Amino acid sequence: GQSLEQPSEVTAVEGAIVQINCTYQTSGFYGLSWYQQHDGGAPTFLSYNALDGLEETGRFSSFLSRSDSYGYLLLQELQMKDSASYFCAVRDQGGTASKLTFGTGTRLQVTL
Amino acid sequence: SQTIHQWPATLVQPVGSPLSLECTVEGTSNPNLYWYRQAAGRGLQLLFYSVGIGQISSEVPQNLSASRPQDRQFILSSKKLLLSDSGFYLCAWRKGNTEAFFGQGTRLTVV
Repeated sequence: GQSLEQPSEVTAVEGAIVQINCTYQTSGFYGLSWYQQHDGGAPTFLSYNALDGLEETGRFSSFLSRSDSYGYLLLQELQMKDSASYFCAVRDQGGTASKLTFGTGTRLQVTL
Repeated sequence: SQTIHQWPATLVQPVGSPLSLECTVEGTSNPNLYWYRQAAGRGLQLLFYSVGIGQISSEVPQNLSASRPQDRQFILSSKKLLLSDSGFYLCAWRKGNTEAFFGQGTRLTVV
């Protein structure tokens, strides 16, 4: 089966740094993605890790440790517009038949 | 460029009525297509995915079915809706090593 666990809610102050963790137990693993979803909207892609280590994309960074079945999303210089839900997702294989399984999601609230 | 269209945006249906949600993708060929459901304040649950015309994989046994009559068309259906079918339904596509691109979703309320 597939299981991805994330904290349900995180609150942080504008300008701060926040880390959202994701632990996974899946029958197959090829890579870990992160998506952002604002209320009522569609999820949008943020970052992807296939190999261990840190990937940086502007204010967002994502980390993966395959041996620990663990990853995190790091958001720096938080802005009010970053208030949203964040999902990790596991890609189960590298072929064309791969599927994405999403975590439970973390609701981030950025305050003044 | 690729686009994904999903409709309707909102839908209110009585219990026991049928359902048909449609999703189409433009600007790409032979994409992987996915249907997800999201309950209020919850994560995305994979319902169905398809790697080609007529090929459907079901992830969760339920009251719903999916079909892919054309390469870029993915349909989610039900013969008789249940209250528990209410939720936010999202269609998505992927190809190769790209990330998933989602439609704007259909908010279904079964009353």
